[in-house]
Amino acid sequence: DTEVTQTPKHLVMGMTNKKSLKCEQHMGHRAMYWYKQKAKKPPELMFVYSYEKLSINESVPSRFSPECPNSSLLNLHLHALQPEDSALYLCASSQDRTSGVRETQYFGPGTRLLVL
Amino acid sequence: GQNIDQPTEMTATEGAIVQINCTYQTSGFNGLFWYQQHAGEAPTFLSYNVLDGLEEKGRFSSFLSRSKGYSYLLLKELQMKDSASYLCAVRDNTDKLIFGTGTRLQVFP
Repeated sequence: DTEVTQTPKHLVMGMTNKKSLKCEQHMGHRAMYWYKQKAKKPPELMFVYSYEKLSINESVPSRFSPECPNSSLLNLHLHALQPEDSALYLCASSQDRTSGVRETQYFGPGTRLLVL
Repeated sequence: GQNIDQPTEMTATEGAIVQINCTYQTSGFNGLFWYQQHAGEAPTFLSYNVLDGLEEKGRFSSFLSRSKGYSYLLLKELQMKDSASYLCAVRDNTDKLIFGTGTRLQVFP
Protein backbone atom coordinates (compact mmCIF):
# COMPACT_ATOMS: atom_id res chain seq x y z
CA ASP A 1 0.00 0.00 0.00
CA THR A 2 1.54 3.26 -1.12
CA GLU A 3 -1.43 5.51 -0.55
CA VAL A 4 -1.34 9.06 0.68
CA THR A 5 -4.73 10.70 1.06
CA GLN A 6 -5.54 14.41 1.04
CA THR A 7 -8.66 16.36 1.86
CA PRO A 8 -10.37 18.31 0.52
CA LYS A 9 -9.85 17.65 -3.20
CA HIS A 10 -10.92 21.16 -4.09
CA LEU A 11 -11.08 24.32 -2.00
CA VAL A 12 -12.26 27.83 -2.81
CA MET A 13 -11.56 30.49 -0.20
CA GLY A 14 -11.60 34.24 0.17
CA MET A 15 -8.59 36.23 1.25
CA THR A 16 -9.94 36.67 4.78
CA ASN A 17 -10.82 33.01 5.35
CA LYS A 18 -9.01 30.46 7.48
CA LYS A 19 -8.93 26.90 6.18
CA SER A 20 -6.85 23.75 6.62
CA LEU A 21 -5.58 21.10 4.25
CA LYS A 22 -5.17 17.57 5.59
CA CYS A 23 -2.88 14.74 4.60
CA GLU A 24 -2.77 11.19 5.93
CA GLN A 25 -0.64 8.11 5.34
CA HIS A 26 -0.65 4.70 7.01
CA MET A 27 2.55 3.31 5.56
CA GLY A 28 4.59 3.93 8.71
CA HIS A 29 6.52 6.66 6.94
CA ARG A 30 8.39 9.08 9.20
CA ALA A 31 8.96 11.91 6.74
CA MET A 32 6.18 14.05 5.28
CA TYR A 33 6.28 16.94 2.84
CA TRP A 34 4.19 19.80 1.50
CA TYR A 35 4.67 20.97 -2.08
CA LYS A 36 3.02 23.71 -4.12
CA GLN A 37 2.55 23.18 -7.85
CA LYS A 38 1.43 25.78 -10.36
CA ALA A 39 0.07 24.77 -13.76
CA LYS A 40 2.73 23.33 -16.09
CA LYS A 41 5.43 23.83 -13.45
CA PRO A 42 7.24 21.27 -11.29
CA PRO A 43 6.36 20.85 -7.62
CA GLU A 44 8.09 23.32 -5.30
CA LEU A 45 9.02 22.18 -1.82
CA MET A 46 7.43 24.13 1.03
CA PHE A 47 7.95 22.14 4.25
CA VAL A 48 9.50 18.88 5.41
CA TYR A 49 8.70 17.05 8.63
CA SER A 50 10.98 14.30 9.88
CA TYR A 51 9.86 12.24 12.88
CA GLU A 52 7.15 14.82 13.53
CA LYS A 53 9.61 17.70 13.74
CA LEU A 54 9.83 20.49 11.17
CA SER A 55 13.19 20.05 9.45
CA ILE A 56 12.87 22.29 6.38
CA ASN A 57 10.91 25.49 5.81
CA GLU A 58 11.65 26.85 2.35
CA SER A 59 11.11 30.47 3.41
CA VAL A 60 7.38 30.06 3.06
CA PRO A 61 5.23 33.09 4.07
CA SER A 62 3.69 32.83 7.52
CA ARG A 63 0.18 32.76 6.04
CA PHE A 64 0.99 29.05 5.53
CA SER A 65 1.38 27.20 8.82
CA PRO A 66 2.21 23.48 8.87
CA GLU A 67 1.39 21.10 11.69
CA CYS A 68 2.23 17.45 12.26
CA PRO A 69 -0.04 16.14 15.05
CA ASN A 70 1.34 12.60 14.78
CA SER A 71 3.39 10.42 12.48
CA SER A 72 0.43 9.70 10.17
CA LEU A 73 -1.04 13.17 9.82
CA LEU A 74 0.11 16.42 8.29
CA ASN A 75 -1.91 19.62 8.16
CA LEU A 76 -1.41 22.90 6.37
CA HIS A 77 -3.27 25.83 7.93
CA LEU A 78 -4.11 28.68 5.60
CA HIS A 79 -4.90 32.25 6.61
CA ALA A 80 -5.11 35.53 4.70
CA LEU A 81 -4.02 33.98 1.43
CA GLN A 82 -3.51 35.90 -1.79
CA PRO A 83 -4.89 35.05 -5.25
CA GLU A 84 -1.36 34.10 -6.37
CA ASP A 85 -1.43 31.30 -3.78
CA SER A 86 -3.93 29.47 -5.96
CA ALA A 87 -2.26 26.20 -6.93
CA LEU A 88 -2.28 22.43 -6.46
CA TYR A 89 -0.98 21.58 -2.97
CA LEU A 90 0.64 18.18 -2.82
CA CYS A 91 1.48 16.15 0.23
CA ALA A 92 4.09 13.40 0.07
CA SER A 93 5.66 10.90 2.45
CA SER A 94 8.76 8.74 2.50
CA GLN A 95 10.06 6.06 4.83
CA ASP A 96 12.51 8.50 6.29
CA ARG A 97 15.21 10.99 5.31
CA THR A 98 18.15 8.60 5.08
CA SER A 99 19.89 8.12 1.76
CA GLY A 100 18.73 5.75 -0.85
CA VAL A 101 15.45 4.33 -1.96
CA ARG A 102 13.98 4.90 1.52
CA GLU A 103 13.81 8.54 0.48
CA THR A 104 11.38 7.73 -2.36
CA GLN A 105 8.46 10.09 -1.95
CA TYR A 106 4.89 8.96 -2.55
CA PHE A 107 2.47 11.73 -3.38
CA GLY A 108 -1.15 12.25 -2.48
CA PRO A 109 -3.72 13.35 -5.10
CA GLY A 110 -3.42 16.98 -4.03
CA THR A 111 -5.82 19.76 -3.05
CA ARG A 112 -6.65 22.20 -5.80
CA LEU A 113 -6.90 25.59 -4.10
CA LEU A 114 -8.47 28.71 -5.56
CA VAL A 115 -8.14 31.98 -3.65
CA LEU A 116 -10.59 34.70 -4.66
CA GLY B 1 22.81 27.04 -8.50
CA GLN B 2 20.53 24.09 -9.07
CA ASN B 3 19.68 23.25 -12.64
CA ILE B 4 17.82 20.28 -14.07
CA ASP B 5 17.11 20.29 -17.80
CA GLN B 6 14.61 18.20 -19.73
CA PRO B 7 13.00 18.70 -23.13
CA THR B 8 9.70 20.51 -22.78
CA GLU B 9 7.66 18.33 -25.10
CA MET B 10 7.99 15.09 -27.03
CA THR B 11 5.68 13.14 -29.30
CA ALA B 12 5.73 9.47 -30.22
CA THR B 13 3.57 6.79 -31.81
CA GLU B 14 1.79 3.98 -30.03
CA GLY B 15 4.03 0.88 -29.88
CA ALA B 16 7.23 2.87 -30.37
CA ILE B 17 10.16 3.52 -28.01
CA VAL B 18 10.91 6.96 -26.61
CA GLN B 19 13.88 8.24 -24.60
CA ILE B 20 13.50 11.27 -22.32
CA ASN B 21 16.78 12.87 -21.34
CA CYS B 22 17.65 14.75 -18.17
CA THR B 23 20.84 16.64 -17.37
CA TYR B 24 21.51 18.06 -13.96
CA GLN B 25 23.84 20.38 -12.10
CA THR B 26 23.03 20.33 -8.40
CA SER B 27 24.64 20.95 -5.03
CA GLY B 28 25.65 17.36 -4.44
CA PHE B 29 23.94 14.19 -5.59
CA ASN B 30 22.14 11.62 -3.49
CA GLY B 31 19.98 9.91 -6.06
CA LEU B 32 17.81 10.59 -9.09
CA PHE B 33 14.11 9.84 -9.37
CA TRP B 34 11.70 9.74 -12.29
CA TYR B 35 8.02 10.46 -11.74
CA GLN B 36 5.03 10.31 -14.08
CA GLN B 37 2.31 12.91 -13.73
CA HIS B 38 -0.98 12.89 -15.62
CA ALA B 39 -2.69 16.23 -16.02
CA GLY B 40 -4.41 17.30 -12.81
CA GLU B 41 -3.08 14.33 -10.86
CA ALA B 42 -0.26 13.73 -8.40
CA PRO B 43 3.19 12.52 -9.49
CA THR B 44 3.65 8.76 -9.27
CA PHE B 45 7.04 7.17 -8.66
CA LEU B 46 8.61 5.34 -11.61
CA SER B 47 12.28 4.71 -10.85
CA TYR B 48 15.28 5.47 -8.69
CA ASN B 49 18.97 5.52 -9.66
CA VAL B 50 21.90 6.23 -7.38
CA LEU B 51 24.65 4.17 -9.05
CA ASP B 52 25.72 4.39 -12.68
CA GLY B 53 23.94 2.08 -15.03
CA LEU B 54 20.55 0.91 -16.17
CA GLU B 55 17.58 0.02 -13.97
CA GLU B 56 14.84 -1.90 -15.74
CA LYS B 57 11.27 -2.16 -14.55
CA GLY B 58 8.86 -3.64 -17.07
CA ARG B 59 8.35 -1.30 -20.03
CA PHE B 60 10.28 1.46 -18.28
CA SER B 61 14.06 1.70 -17.84
CA SER B 62 16.17 4.47 -16.35
CA PHE B 63 19.86 5.12 -16.88
CA LEU B 64 22.30 7.21 -14.88
CA SER B 65 25.80 8.55 -15.52
CA ARG B 66 26.95 10.51 -12.49
CA SER B 67 30.17 11.69 -14.14
CA LYS B 68 28.16 13.26 -16.97
CA GLY B 69 25.30 14.52 -14.78
CA TYR B 70 22.95 12.70 -17.11
CA SER B 71 19.99 10.37 -16.93
CA TYR B 72 17.37 9.10 -19.32
CA LEU B 73 14.03 7.38 -19.02
CA LEU B 74 13.27 4.83 -21.73
CA LEU B 75 9.68 3.87 -22.42
CA LYS B 76 9.08 0.83 -24.62
CA GLU B 77 5.92 -0.41 -26.37
CA LEU B 78 4.26 2.93 -25.85
CA GLN B 79 0.59 2.98 -24.98
CA MET B 80 -1.88 5.84 -25.18
CA LYS B 81 -2.05 5.92 -21.38
CA ASP B 82 1.67 6.85 -21.30
CA SER B 83 0.72 10.36 -22.44
CA ALA B 84 1.73 12.39 -19.38
CA SER B 85 4.45 14.62 -18.01
CA TYR B 86 7.66 12.94 -16.88
CA LEU B 87 9.57 14.64 -14.09
CA CYS B 88 13.25 14.12 -13.39
CA ALA B 89 14.17 14.91 -9.77
CA VAL B 90 17.54 14.94 -8.02
CA ARG B 91 18.13 14.64 -4.28
CA ASP B 92 20.83 17.15 -3.43
CA ASN B 93 23.26 17.29 -0.52
CA THR B 94 20.72 19.10 1.66
CA ASP B 95 18.40 16.12 1.17
CA LYS B 96 15.90 18.12 -0.83
CA LEU B 97 14.28 16.77 -3.98
CA ILE B 98 14.84 19.23 -6.83
CA PHE B 99 12.46 18.73 -9.75
CA GLY B 100 13.09 19.46 -13.39
CA THR B 101 10.41 21.30 -15.35
CA GLY B 102 9.10 18.05 -16.76
CA THR B 103 8.72 16.63 -20.25
CA ARG B 104 5.20 16.46 -21.66
CA LEU B 105 4.90 13.29 -23.76
CA GLN B 106 2.06 12.85 -26.23
CA VAL B 107 1.47 9.40 -27.68
CA PHE B 108 -0.47 9.24 -30.93
CA PRO B 109 -2.26 6.23 -32.41
